[in-house]
Parts: sequence; C-alpha cells; structure tokens
Amino acid sequence: DAKTTQPTSMDCAEGRAANLPCNHSTISGNEYVYWYRQIHSQGPQYIIHGLKNNETNEMASLIITEDRKSSTLILPHATLRDTAVYYCIVTNAGKSTFGDGTTLTVKP
Amino acid sequence: DAGITQSPRYKITETGRQVTLMCHQTWSHSYMFWYRQDLGHGLRLIYYSAAADITDKGEVPDGYVVSRSKTENFPLTLESATRSQTSVYFCASSILLPNSGNTIYFGEGSWLTVV
Repeated sequence: DAKTTQPTSMDCAEGRAANLPCNHSTISGNEYVYWYRQIHSQGPQYIIHGLKNNETNEMASLIITEDRKSSTLILPHATLRDTAVYYCIVTNAGKSTFGDGTTLTVKP
Repeated sequence: DAGITQSPRYKITETGRQVTLMCHQTWSHSYMFWYRQDLGHGLRLIYYSAAADITDKGEVPDGYVVSRSKTENFPLTLESATRSQTSVYFCASSILLPNSGNTIYFGEGSWLTVV
C-alpha cells in the first residue's frame, strides 16, 4: 500500500469549511483514497472514499487531483463535533496502514 | 446487527503473562485486522488476515500471535506481555467489493495495561 503524508494539526473556525490535505504520490492505479476520522479514543469511522473522481456524501466532499497524487477532504460547515483526528489512507485490499493523521480542532 | 465486537474491553495484566484479545464480526467480511494505538499516536497495523487460515504481518508484529480458524473470529495473543505493549487495540474488518474498494469497520477497542 502507498503511504500518505498529512499535516500534524489544523484549526478551523466553527461554521467555516475545513479543508484537510493529503499527499499520496506513490499511489497505484487500483488503489482507492479513503478518509476516516477518530473522535476521542473511539474506533475510527469511515467518512468517504474515491478512486479518480471527486465524491460527495452527507458528511464530506473528496477532491482528488487529476494525477491522483494528492487529495483534499472538505467538511463544508465544520462544527465543534468535527474536532477529531482525520486519517487519509490509500488501499485496495490487504495491508491497510493509517499513520498519525491530522488533528483537526474546530474553534468557536 | 452486532457488527464487530471486541473482548475484553479493559484488561490489566502483569509482565510475562499471556493475554488473548478476542474479536468477532457478524458480517462475514473476508478481511480482518488488528491495530494498536499508543497514547497520542496513530494506528499501527499488527497483523491482518485475508480469509480463514490466511494471516500476514503488518508494521509491528513482534510479540504477537494471531490465528483465524473461522471467518468471523480473529484473536490476538500476546505470548509474554511487556510494558511496551500497553496500548489500545482495535480490531477491524472489511470486504473487498469490485469497483468499490474495501471500507474498513472498526471495533470499539480493547484497553490493555501491562504492569
């Protein structure tokens, strides 16, 4: 599985969009980009994933660059409850590694 | 829908003892994983399994043993626990779908303290 690089931490004002970047320059053609988040010490939860195209669901949007070497998770209207650690991983199957993620702090 | 359950949720054990963390999933997912998360750090993959009787090492396998005789169970054993294995352990499962990737679903975690 390809490795990813994320900033250690980010802040965002409540009600504003949170844009979390992820670099995955060694991604393979059949690997998906996945985003998860972990609130406090709970098990990580799935947010969104994509292969090539941009994706949107009720939680977030995922923008993948055309060369697929980077992506951005967008939380359109961040709330205090979005404060969490966000993990970007690339995987197709098998050995799925997570790294340290980005700690997003949403401030009032 | 029980999903994925871990037991025990909390465990204190002594150095040198054998400890087994249990993981059970009801979805018949083919893939299962064990991760550990040390305080203030991210997740590190210990072992994973693609199917019953198929297991493979992750990033930090030393000191751990896994087995998968049935699809739904994936126990993790610390053969001789050390203080450095004090951590939160997350079990997870996923199913690989054509043209859809493999979304991973996590259990609630098992808090292990080795004294």
